[in-house]
Amino acid sequence: AQSVTQLGSHVSVSEGALVLLRCNYSSSVPPYLFWYVQYPNQGLQLLLKYTSAATLVKGINGFEAEFKKSETSFHLTKPSAHMSDAAEYFCAVSVRTGNQFYFGTGTSLTVIP
Amino acid sequence: DGGITQSPKYLFRKEGQNVTLSCEQNLNHDAMYWYRQDPGQGLRLIYYSQIVNDFQKGDIAEGYSVSREKKESFPLTVTSAQKNPTAFYLCASSNWDSYNSPLHFGNGTRLTVT
Repeated sequence: AQSVTQLGSHVSVSEGALVLLRCNYSSSVPPYLFWYVQYPNQGLQLLLKYTSAATLVKGINGFEAEFKKSETSFHLTKPSAHMSDAAEYFCAVSVRTGNQFYFGTGTSLTVIP
Repeated sequence: DGGITQSPKYLFRKEGQNVTLSCEQNLNHDAMYWYRQDPGQGLRLIYYSQIVNDFQKGDIAEGYSVSREKKESFPLTVTSAQKNPTAFYLCASSNWDSYNSPLHFGNGTRLTVT
């Protein structure tokens, strides 16, 4: 069975500070991992995806994530938070069997000026 | 531009009425999905479809129905049997055969039932 856990439903950081959003997954087969961002009353937009080509994945808007198999983690980071980063972030895992996607419950990021 | 169009953005209905949410995509994707989003619960899968004229129930299909008569379209009907229909509904699509294809989402429909 596949599942995704996002630690911390709310995270606050100061503008210019490091952003760290945590994601742990469980999967019985090698997973594909994704981070999405959602702004209020909008759909989800893909930030980045892990495809097994490289463990450090760079995405849009300066975000990146590192796949750590030993820790079953795929944490999202950004060196310097910007006010425009305030949004809801979702981690997701998929496996090809059945092409199902499993989402975490999301982390709401607040950026303090 | 290719994308997914959901309409309407806001929908209000009286309890006991069926309502249909529209989802159209021009990405030429085979697979389409419907998710329900409630605060603090993430996304829950309602139905998905891999090909035309075929669809499968997701985790919370009770009280919902879908059809897939065209590749581009995957409408969702919220029936009067759905006990708590007020929610934000998201439609998505992906390349079924493409290696690690991500989901592409529409901008959602917010349904309020009173």
